[in-house]
Amino acid sequence: NAGVTQTPKFQVLKTGQSMTLQCAQDMNHEYMSWYRQDPGMGLRLIHYSVGAGITDQGEVPNGYNVSRSTTEDFPLRLLSAAPSQTSVYFCASSYFLGPEGGYTFGSGTRLTVV
Amino acid sequence: RKEVEQDPGPFNVPEGATVAFNCTYSNSASQSFFWYRQDCRKEPKLLMSVYSSGNEDGRFTAQLNRASQYISLLIRDSKLSDSATYLCVVDSGGGADGLTFGKGTHLIIQP
Repeated sequence: NAGVTQTPKFQVLKTGQSMTLQCAQDMNHEYMSWYRQDPGMGLRLIHYSVGAGITDQGEVPNGYNVSRSTTEDFPLRLLSAAPSQTSVYFCASSYFLGPEGGYTFGSGTRLTVV
Repeated sequence: RKEVEQDPGPFNVPEGATVAFNCTYSNSASQSFFWYRQDCRKEPKLLMSVYSSGNEDGRFTAQLNRASQYISLLIRDSKLSDSATYLCVVDSGGGADGLTFGKGTHLIIQP
């Protein structure tokens, strides 16, 4: 049982480049989300999905796109990378939310935009 | 705006001591509460959910005070391995966008 798998673990991009961060989970979780974590900040929600074919924006969606064609995969696309997108990105999934829930996080992608 | 506030620390605590930290939340409609642990350069991991009646898991005790809108985490007989950042997480309902993360409290257990 792999849990939540994120690739790549590290990435350096030049300003203006695009790329896709991959996230896959094998737990049949309905909920999946992308967060970014910056020094001195809490995790901030970028986009989320409550099931295949359904996505919605979080707190900081600008500059990012997502899609959810399958239950397992939830890729995050950076359209035109900017230095402000330098961050650690975490993908998370959950079967459901509530007292018995809680998110399982991937190990993160450390992105640097130069 | 939903807010979750934590003392960032660091809390420097000798091994074997008891340490407690609180987290306050602004949204009185919040429904679920969690403590996550995050080690340096690692992903957050669920430590425990927080129930209205309070709950205990080994050396860890979590309590919720809805009237004052805060949750607490108590660690007894602290171990060196407890050194980490502890994130308070509040779910205000409404789906995946209802989770709000605190910035975390940094705990250092000293030998």
